[in-house]
Amino acid sequence: DGGITQSPKYLFRKEGQNVTLSCEQNLNHDAMYWYRQDPGQGLRLIYYSQIVNDFQKGDIAEGYSVSREKKESFPLTVTSAQKNPTAFYLCASSSDYNLAKNIQYFGAGTRLSVL
Amino acid sequence: GENVEQHPSTLSVQEGDSAVIKCTYSDSASNYFPWYKQELGKGPQLIIDIRSNVGEKKDQRIAVTLNKTAKHFSLHITETQPEDSAVYFCAASLSGSARQLTFGSGTQLTVLP
Repeated sequence: DGGITQSPKYLFRKEGQNVTLSCEQNLNHDAMYWYRQDPGQGLRLIYYSQIVNDFQKGDIAEGYSVSREKKESFPLTVTSAQKNPTAFYLCASSSDYNLAKNIQYFGAGTRLSVL
Repeated sequence: GENVEQHPSTLSVQEGDSAVIKCTYSDSASNYFPWYKQELGKGPQLIIDIRSNVGEKKDQRIAVTLNKTAKHFSLHITETQPEDSAVYFCAASLSGSARQLTFGSGTQLTVLP
């Protein structure tokens, strides 16, 4: 959606396994974000990146890791340390977080389930 | 940090009626308030937003009002249609901060034909 591609759409994780969710954007946006969405809850920020080779922890970073080697890509790894990974994961990007109105554009999401 | 509360969690209205969703925020420094619509199986999309120097903003059937003194803002949808059925999220942020967008818990709006 809106130039942001998340894959896969559905993902299953076995016990003790690390899995990686892909997020690619062709909007030339500097900032990228990962959110977790659980039923009946709002979006919670996992990690965000303002620029290539730099990223910051959000509110629920434990059990997750990210990298930002390219401007257009911001993959999220759900590690075995994340004991409750079942959720809907959303990636977003924005052009310039320093703007007074910083609109975030979201991908279609990846639904992760534990086998 | 910022905390955003959203009510109601579910809302059913008859087609053609109005729908109102309310949010309160805790950080008086927040100055940007977007509303997102999320359809089933999709990512959220921005539908309207308001900055703190404005009290009300309209876009066709959608309007948002902001009361900075009371720290609350509301989404108003008039003449609702079945395609308005979705989950709506409010959010608040401090502009100039990359960490921004603290979201409310969402409202499932159902428009009954």
